[in-house]
Amino acid sequence: GQQLNQSPQSMFIQEGEDVSMNCTSSSIFNTWLWYKQEPGEGPVLLIALYKAGELTSNGRLTAQFGITRKDSFLNISASIPSDVGIYFCAGRTYKYIFGTGTRLKVLA
Amino acid sequence: KAGVTQTPRYLIKTRGQQVTLSCSPISGHRSVSWYQQTPGQGLQFLFEYFSETQRNKGNFPGRFSGRQFSNSRSEMNVSTLELGDSALYLCASTPGLADTGELFFGEGSRLTVL
Repeated sequence: GQQLNQSPQSMFIQEGEDVSMNCTSSSIFNTWLWYKQEPGEGPVLLIALYKAGELTSNGRLTAQFGITRKDSFLNISASIPSDVGIYFCAGRTYKYIFGTGTRLKVLA
Repeated sequence: KAGVTQTPRYLIKTRGQQVTLSCSPISGHRSVSWYQQTPGQGLQFLFEYFSETQRNKGNFPGRFSGRQFSNSRSEMNVSTLELGDSALYLCASTPGLADTGELFFGEGSRLTVL
């Protein structure tokens, strides 16, 4: 099935550190969404991006819609233990295609 | 405002059986889409319904089907289950069409096929 390239695949970081992850595609998207999923639960929407170049923040999270419309990144500042989970990007054409996920583990 | 509700949360079936999963969208949301999530393939789009009509379909065999009712609730059915159908099935709703807004997911139905 179709998936977007998302990196890194996983990362261990120290509490308080900043985190950056990104998604790239060969296709142009009209919308980028970022989700967080915890074990046994469905993905929860973090940030939605609708315009190329758009930079949007949600608390300690900041995401950008790439200017080429083929990529997006998510930054988490000053990570805390509850940031643990899997982060997914999703790009939309007529349907949503999801990234492969970044598994984040925070060491206290 | 209640979120997307999926039932059942967990179920175990054997090969050859069929299964029906249910999804109640957020009140006022008219679009429901379904996704299969597995460790190997990630999140894959199954189909999307809007106003009781299937609008888009992913690349899954005909054993996977769905429908939407007039109250926007949706069901998906998988017939002749195979071991590879074991997955978390996620439903998502949007206020309008899924290609114009954000997806809000339910907690999923975890299907195990033995």
